[in-house]
Amino acid sequence: DIQMTQSPSTLSASVGDRVTITCRASQSINNWLAWYQQKPEKAPNLLIYKASTLRSGVPSRFSGSGSGTEFTLTISSLQPDDFATYYCQQYDTYPWTFGQGTRVEIK
Amino acid sequence: QVQLLQSAAEVKKPGASVKVSCKASGYTFTGYHIHWVRQAPGEGLEWMGWINPKSGGTMLAQKFEDRVTMTTDASTSTVYMELSRLTFDDTAVYYCARDPGQIVVLLGSMDVWGQGTTVTVSS
Repeated sequence: DIQMTQSPSTLSASVGDRVTITCRASQSINNWLAWYQQKPEKAPNLLIYKASTLRSGVPSRFSGSGSGTEFTLTISSLQPDDFATYYCQQYDTYPWTFGQGTRVEIK
Repeated sequence: QVQLLQSAAEVKKPGASVKVSCKASGYTFTGYHIHWVRQAPGEGLEWMGWINPKSGGTMLAQKFEDRVTMTTDASTSTVYMELSRLTFDDTAVYYCARDPGQIVVLLGSMDVWGQGTTVTVSS
């Protein structure tokens, strides 16, 4: 199985900060990568797919980049609604796998 | 609006089976694959497999191949996921989620999610 490793596991930041989360795949996933935001007791919400395509309706402060095995999710100016856990997911090779999550908390 | 509505929480004993339903509304049911993903308490997300509601075809993660059955009922726009031989490790929230690709092009991301169904395995 392809292992997806996110870093950091927890991130403390303030409103207005620029935040970057990294996701590394154990082998190339050809940009078949999605990012999700999950708030407590809620289902995940798709933010980005195919590594860098912003889903319609998602604020433009979210962006994704990367290729091959290393990917990043960037929030350009953190807003109060952005404090949540973020997951990456590869859908290049079965079984599709998720990273362990990055919790973004208030500093 | 596009929505997936899942069945209520379940409590099961070890060794039993559970069947979770996911009713789609607001879009053409046979037009999109449905994935199942689970999340153990305090843990991350685990993809279990997908079903094609038009053909009934499925793709399951190998670890679930001998215990999971996914089925579809087009007359009620509902997909089902049955997990057998439950153990304590199967305690989790089970989500269904729609693949945004058209039925002939599976994309792999998940754009619409159900609210989740909590399955608790307890003796």
